[in-house]
Amino acid sequence: DAGVIQSPRHEVTEMGQEVTLRCKPISGHDYLFWYRQTMMRGLELLIYFNNNVPIDDSGMPEDRFSAKMPNASFSTLKIQPSEPRDSAVYFCASRFRSAEAFFGQGTRLTVV
Amino acid sequence: TQLLEQSPQFLSIQEGENLTVYCNSSSVFSSLQWYRQEPGEGPVLLVTVVTGGEVKKLKRLTFQFGDARKDSSLHITAAQPGDTGLYLCAVTGNQFYFGTGTSLTVIP
Repeated sequence: DAGVIQSPRHEVTEMGQEVTLRCKPISGHDYLFWYRQTMMRGLELLIYFNNNVPIDDSGMPEDRFSAKMPNASFSTLKIQPSEPRDSAVYFCASRFRSAEAFFGQGTRLTVV
Repeated sequence: TQLLEQSPQFLSIQEGENLTVYCNSSSVFSSLQWYRQEPGEGPVLLVTVVTGGEVKKLKRLTFQFGDARKDSSLHITAAQPGDTGLYLCAVTGNQFYFGTGTSLTVIP
């Protein structure tokens, strides 16, 4: 398996535009997590899914953020409209039950 | 609310020195994991500790889980430049929270 794959690696967008981040988890993993990492706030859990079902989205900062997992091999995190304060590195991670979590390489988002 | 507080936040040492970083909480956890993150990459698992008082060794790294399972430490012996990175502790279970992190720089 190629590991957790995120795309794009870098995204620069203008304030107000819609941004969609993508994640392909490791095959067979039943948990998927979305995180945001900044210097100020560290690694924050935004939302996680179990068997494609969103379990806890209490970390999603605002209604501008939404996440979906239409099937076991794909998830998206959407920001609409984007704002400069959304600039961060967004990570996706997957794991099987309570075992080791594997992270993607992240998407560095810059909103100007 | 930050469940896991790590200290120190930043640490810069010379190659060959020893160091200890800490992960503390007021909550009891069934298990705790330590990850290392290098620039431009996602965190990578180093170890999982489960039993109170447990000590695990990974080459020059020694991990300890507190007796009450509320805290943990990571000790590095004879640090090397390759140890440079962000060290994160994490609470496992259904959710998956990370600590505030310790950024370590080992100077050659």
